[in-house]
Amino acid sequence: EVQLVESGGGLVQPGRSLRLSCSASGFTFDDHAMHWVRQVPGKGLEWVSSISWNSEFKAYADSVKGRLTISRDNAKKTLYLQMNSLRVEDTALYYCARAPYGSGSFLPNFDSWGQGILVTVSS
Amino acid sequence: QSVLTQPPSASGTPGQRVTISCSGTSSNVGSSNVYWYQQLPGAAPKLLIYRNNQRPSGVPDRFSGSKSGTSASLAISGLRSQDEADYYCAAWDASLSGPVFGGGTKLTVL
Repeated sequence: EVQLVESGGGLVQPGRSLRLSCSASGFTFDDHAMHWVRQVPGKGLEWVSSISWNSEFKAYADSVKGRLTISRDNAKKTLYLQMNSLRVEDTALYYCARAPYGSGSFLPNFDSWGQGILVTVSS
Repeated sequence: QSVLTQPPSASGTPGQRVTISCSGTSSNVGSSNVYWYQQLPGAAPKLLIYRNNQRPSGVPDRFSGSKSGTSASLAISGLRSQDEADYYCAAWDASLSGPVFGGGTKLTVL
């Protein structure tokens, strides 16, 4: 069974940093591109960032470019999101999501999702 | 303001057929495949339709997708109470160089 489990969220002050992790199991992690998608509670979905299977390609939404960094450790089957210079508007539930096997591009084809982890940025 | 436009709400009675629209532009829906997600209350989103009209295994054939030009639609036939959820469309946007979502449609089964 495919499982994606996010961790590392919490309450943080504006301008501070946080690192999210997404632990994967039940599938061959390095066969898949991975993504982060966020959702302000009660609002819609927003794509945040994507990374190819071998970390060669990365992409970011304009709203997070230069502040958030996606990475992965295939040996540990873990996806990361380093969040620096956090802003109040980064407050959201952050989901990690998997692209299907063989999906070579960053299309919004997310076939498995974690349960999400809440990040609250507030003073 | 979401890049793709969806109606904020839709409703139907059990057994009815409902459709949810998703409107975009030539840089997204008009030039890319459309994907649909279902988000049940308190749950993570789930892929419902990929590549405009393909259903992942396990998704009932009551759900169908279509696309024409810069608009796409999700149809749900034989509406059931468990279909009550938020539905999102998504597509690649060539101008933004990234995926974009619709604002979501809250489906109520009366």
